[in-house]
Amino acid sequence: AQSVAQPEDQVNVAEGNPLTVKCTYSVSGNPYLFWYVQYPNRGLQFLLKYITGDNLVKGSYGFEAEFNKSQTSFHLKKPSALVSDSALYFCAVRDRAGNMLTFGGGTRLMVKP
Amino acid sequence: DTAVSQTPKYLVTQMGNDKSIKCEQNLGHDTMYWYKQDSKKFLKIMFSYNNKELIINETVPNRFSPKSPDKAHLNLHINSLELGDSAVYFCASSRHRLAGVSHEQFFGPGTRLTVL
Repeated sequence: AQSVAQPEDQVNVAEGNPLTVKCTYSVSGNPYLFWYVQYPNRGLQFLLKYITGDNLVKGSYGFEAEFNKSQTSFHLKKPSALVSDSALYFCAVRDRAGNMLTFGGGTRLMVKP
Repeated sequence: DTAVSQTPKYLVTQMGNDKSIKCEQNLGHDTMYWYKQDSKKFLKIMFSYNNKELIINETVPNRFSPKSPDKAHLNLHINSLELGDSAVYFCASSRHRLAGVSHEQFFGPGTRLTVL
């Protein structure tokens, strides 16, 4: 069975500092990996995905994520955080044969001015 | 312009009632999903339909019955509502999975269901 772990319930960072939100996964074979963001009282919005190719994936709003196969990780990063980045972030994985997307438990990102 | 829409946005009802949540997508996608997000924000897939055919049915009580009249709509009907059904329900859609390709899912705004 596939699974996703987001080890931090909350990440606090000062505006202008770099941020990292961690994600590790478990899946049979090569994964498809995704990051989504959820603002309060809203649905999830797609940020970026890793399918194949370059391990560094760039997405919306200046976010990027690095796929590390040996560490089975897909950490989300941004060089300079904004207060408006404060939200709930979800990592998700899908195996290449199946249809089901499995989400991590979410990490709340708090960016303080 | 709304890509994935759900109605109602809020639903407050008594235990034992039957209720439905509607979902529509105007993206031309083939696949639609229902997710449940609990009070701890944990998100879990419930159902998935591709071109009106059920392809994912997780361990959901049979009080929950999805209905897909066409590939743009996936409604969720819940019978005999229980307190534990209180959650936010999200509809989503995506292009159909093709071999070697994966498409991101687009989510609706959610329906907050409160069972009293």
